[in-house]
Amino acid sequence: AQSVTQLGSHVSVSEGALVLLRCNYSSSVPPYLFWYVQYPNQGLQLLLKYTTGATLVKGINGFEAEFKKSETSFHLTKPSAHMSDAAEYFCAVRGAGTASKLTFGTGTRLQVTL
Amino acid sequence: EPEVTQTPSHQVTQMGQEVILRCVPISNHLYFYWYRQILGQKVEFLVSFYNNEISEKSEIFDDQFSVERPDGSNFTLKIRSTKLEDSAMYFCASSPTGDYGYTFGSGTRLTVV
Repeated sequence: AQSVTQLGSHVSVSEGALVLLRCNYSSSVPPYLFWYVQYPNQGLQLLLKYTTGATLVKGINGFEAEFKKSETSFHLTKPSAHMSDAAEYFCAVRGAGTASKLTFGTGTRLQVTL
Repeated sequence: EPEVTQTPSHQVTQMGQEVILRCVPISNHLYFYWYRQILGQKVEFLVSFYNNEISEKSEIFDDQFSVERPDGSNFTLKIRSTKLEDSAMYFCASSPTGDYGYTFGSGTRLTVV
């Protein structure tokens, strides 16, 4: 079984500041980890994913995340926030090597202020 | 870039009515999924579908729900007798293999009144 915990339902940063969105997971099998972004009234867009190999993964729009097995974490970062980054961000996990479902966290709403 | 297409984008229905939500997955994808998101809550898995049969379903996916791939291109979710609590955004997703990420559609917002 898998689960995801996203710490902080709302995060507010200034434009140009570091973005850090936290995600911790639990999985009984090696995990595949994902970050999705949802803009208002839109669907889910894949930002990045970790399956195997390099633990630091880079995604779209300047985001990256690092898989840390010892900490069971997959935090999302971006060095410099932009106003257009304001959205809801979801971390998700699934079991590696299976067609199993994605289990999502509760989401973090990112607000970017001037 | 290939997309998963969902129609309609918004549907309003009366309680007790049947609704069919439609999805066109990416053409070479083999795995299909439905998820839903009740307003303000997290995205929840409903059902996965492969080789013309359900491969996994959640406890939410009770007898009121069914899925079908009627013609090799569409993938539908039917709710037989809608309840107020079925009001949600429903997302379709597809994947080329089971061992990969999904592509989600933009969703259908279902409002049951």
